[in-house]
Amino acid sequence: AQKVTQAQTEISVVEKEDVTLDCVYETRDTTYYLFWYKQPPSGELVFLIRRNSFDEQNEISGRYSWNFQKSTSSFNFTITASQVVDSAVYFCALSKQTSYDKVIFGPGTSLSVIP
Amino acid sequence: DTAVSQTPKYLVTQMGNDKSIKCEQNLGHDTMYWYKQDSKKFLKIMFSYNNKELIINETVPNRFSPKSPDKAHLNLHINSLELGDSAVYFCASSGGWDTYNEQFFGPGTRLTVL
Repeated sequence: AQKVTQAQTEISVVEKEDVTLDCVYETRDTTYYLFWYKQPPSGELVFLIRRNSFDEQNEISGRYSWNFQKSTSSFNFTITASQVVDSAVYFCALSKQTSYDKVIFGPGTSLSVIP
Repeated sequence: DTAVSQTPKYLVTQMGNDKSIKCEQNLGHDTMYWYKQDSKKFLKIMFSYNNKELIINETVPNRFSPKSPDKAHLNLHINSLELGDSAVYFCASSGGWDTYNEQFFGPGTRLTVL
């Protein structure tokens, strides 16, 4: 069975601090996708990144970076120099690599960035 | 251009009523989904359709009935609404050859059952 765990329910940081959101997943599949989504207070779900299980390279996009470690089944997300606009709920998710399989979402981490 | 749209955005109704939520996508995707997000923000898949065929049907009360008239539309009909049905319902689509199961979400429909 597939499962995604985000142990941090809520995190508060002061603006400009760095913050890491943890994600641990379980799957018996050898190939799979991992995702991060952001849900700001306005409610929409915004896609941030997709990672193929074959690709363990870390990724950086501006202030965002992702660390994928297959050995520990983790796909952690770091925000550098956090800003108030980063305040949101962040979801880690997992799916098989078949084209229309379901995506399993973690419970989400609510991040509050305090000015 | 709106990629995935849902109507209505808000729906307030009494217990026992029947209501529908509509979803349309103009991305040319083959697969569409309904998710339910509860008050604790937990996001759970309910159904998925691929080319109008039901693929995923999670453990959902049979008061919920999805209908896909074509691959661009997936509607959700709910009979005999209960208080516990209050949630935000998200429609999503996927299927682009280069987007690999990435879910493209609609804006959500906030359903409140009184």
